[in-house]
Amino acid sequence: AQKVTQAQTEISVVEKEDVTLDCVYETRDTTYYLFWYKQPPSGELVFLIRRNSFDEQNEISGRYSWNFQKSTSSFNFTITASQVVDSAVYFCALSEQGTYKYIFGTGTRLKVLA
Amino acid sequence: SAVISQKPSRDICQRGTSLTIQCQVDSQVTMMFWYRQQPGQSLTLIATANQGSEATYESGFVIDKFPISRPNLTFSTLTVSNMSPEDSSIYLCSVGQVKETQYFGPGTRLLVL
Repeated sequence: AQKVTQAQTEISVVEKEDVTLDCVYETRDTTYYLFWYKQPPSGELVFLIRRNSFDEQNEISGRYSWNFQKSTSSFNFTITASQVVDSAVYFCALSEQGTYKYIFGTGTRLKVLA
Repeated sequence: SAVISQKPSRDICQRGTSLTIQCQVDSQVTMMFWYRQQPGQSLTLIATANQGSEATYESGFVIDKFPISRPNLTFSTLTVSNMSPEDSSIYLCSVGQVKETQYFGPGTRLLVL
């Protein structure tokens, strides 16, 4: 069965610190997609990144970076030099190819303190 | 990515009443979905809204409680029927686009008293 685990319920950091949000997934499929979304207090889910199961290259986008490791079934998200505007709930999600159905993790609430 | 709007953005309703939430997309899309997010919780898929046919509901959700319409490829509605306080949630619609990426609307915050 598919499952996404975000073990960190809440993280607090001081501005400019680096922070890593963990995501561990389970699936029997060989072809699947992984996603990260940001949900600020306004409630809207903002798409951050998609990664397919055949692409294990790490990705960097500005202060954001993602580390995908199939060997450990993890897809971790790092924010470098965090800012107060990064405060939000971050969700990791898994989708098996062809289904469009997402399995969401429980989310990690990130608080960045000034 | 598609631009998605939802109406209303929030509402306060009395128990026993019904509320219809609208989701409008600025382009034609095949896949549309409705999610519920209970306070402090993750997102749970309610159903897939199929154009021209009945919605496909997930386990634990039924058509009588959450009727869905999908009259065309840019619009869908979700009705929350006979509401109770347990229905207080954020309801989000999303659209599926390339490589199975979903984009979400701004959500409807519902409080049932």
